[in-house]
Amino acid sequence: EIVLTQSPGTLSLSPGERATLSCRASQSVSSNYLAWYQQKPGQAPRLLIYGASSRATGIPDRFSGSGSGTDFTLTISRLEPEDFAVYYCQQYAYSPRSFGQGTKLAIK
Amino acid sequence: QITLKESGPTLVKPTQTLTLTCTVSGFSLSTSGVGVGWIRQPPGKALEWLALIYWDDDERYNPSLKSRLSITKDTSKNQVVLTMTNMDPVDTATYYCAHGSPFDFWGQGTLVTVSS
Repeated sequence: EIVLTQSPGTLSLSPGERATLSCRASQSVSSNYLAWYQQKPGQAPRLLIYGASSRATGIPDRFSGSGSGTDFTLTISRLEPEDFAVYYCQQYAYSPRSFGQGTKLAIK
Repeated sequence: QITLKESGPTLVKPTQTLTLTCTVSGFSLSTSGVGVGWIRQPPGKALEWLALIYWDDDERYNPSLKSRLSITKDTSKNQVVLTMTNMDPVDTATYYCAHGSPFDFWGQGTLVTVSS
């Protein structure tokens, strides 16, 4: 089973700042089958990024994903008030399609 | 458009079996490449992937729960059913079904509480 470790656990930033979230896999993720989701309180997760770097439909271009192998990054170039939420990475190359433990993006 | 909706009991007793139904629309469960999965989230905790079934009836399970889980689909009813046996209070969570891999469309989720 691939274990995904996200860091930091909580990231406190202000609107307008740049956010960098990390996801590290315990072994290489084949074909960069790595996705990022955003979850707001009381809502289902929303797919942001798939294939490590492709934005899902309707996702603003301030969200970008990068990385390969075992190290992946989600970057939000300029934080908007609606971006403060919890972010999860997921690998979908192998079963179980594991999730990371999440990074909470909090308003500073 | 693609939608998914979970249904089932909101309260189950310890040792009982939980049966959840995901009713989908906007796509066919028999279309090549289609998969529907189940994910759960205990209150205040992270997402946990449970199971996935593909259009060709290929089933995948989380090994840590495999002995308790069963996923099936009824294409004619546009439904995917998850069964989890021997429920325990630690299984209290919001249960989601979702389309695809990765999951590009999600249901709203249903909170299942396990308590006597």
